[in-house]
Amino acid sequence: DTAVSQTPKYLVTQMGNDKSIKCEQNLGHDTMYWYKQDSKKFLKIMFSYNNKELIINETVPNRFSPKSPDKAHLNLHINSLELGDSAVYFCASSQTVQVNTEAFFGQGTRLTVV
Amino acid sequence: AQTVTQSQPEMSVQEAETVTLSCTYDTSENNYYLFWYKQPPSRQMILVIRQEAYKQQNATENRFSVNFQKAAKSFSLKISDSQLGDTAMYFCAFMKRGDDKIIFGKGTRLHILP
Repeated sequence: DTAVSQTPKYLVTQMGNDKSIKCEQNLGHDTMYWYKQDSKKFLKIMFSYNNKELIINETVPNRFSPKSPDKAHLNLHINSLELGDSAVYFCASSQTVQVNTEAFFGQGTRLTVV
Repeated sequence: AQTVTQSQPEMSVQEAETVTLSCTYDTSENNYYLFWYKQPPSRQMILVIRQEAYKQQNATENRFSVNFQKAAKSFSLKISDSQLGDTAMYFCAFMKRGDDKIIFGKGTRLHILP
């Protein structure tokens, strides 16, 4: 069973479009994250949600909006896509640090904006 | 603010050799966790090994071990008897105890040569 699953794995779209990337975790974790990996393989955290509350927002443009319908899901919505949004986006989850500190990542979604 | 530095962008070793990946970090915290993640071409992020800062004993997982030097803020990963399947990006990561934020280094690309 996949612990953290993202869909789609690949997404090619045109500038100006609005798209969503879905993420689901079946680990019962309290916290979920979205990371952006740039072409140099550096991962930068974008958002994290803890029990449906946004707790970190690393100066991400407001075109990006996380939506968490329940604790097991954290979807990433992107409006008015730009060329610079092309990257691999990783979803991850972790239990609160008092219980478990590992972060489990999804396989990533490669977003290409043309 | 915490930072994680991986000074080796890329490394290559022959199969069956031992390789050590370097990682240093900067923090004023005393309680934290350190991780090494592996990212194979599939882009899945896989936790390789973790170390709790309060433990002096170096963590070991099969062929993977770390050399944790808390005073020097160094956390290197040693891979023994390297295998072709070890070819991947390796990320060093830091998490402050009680925090949800994971700080990653930029990664080291490791090539195991046949």
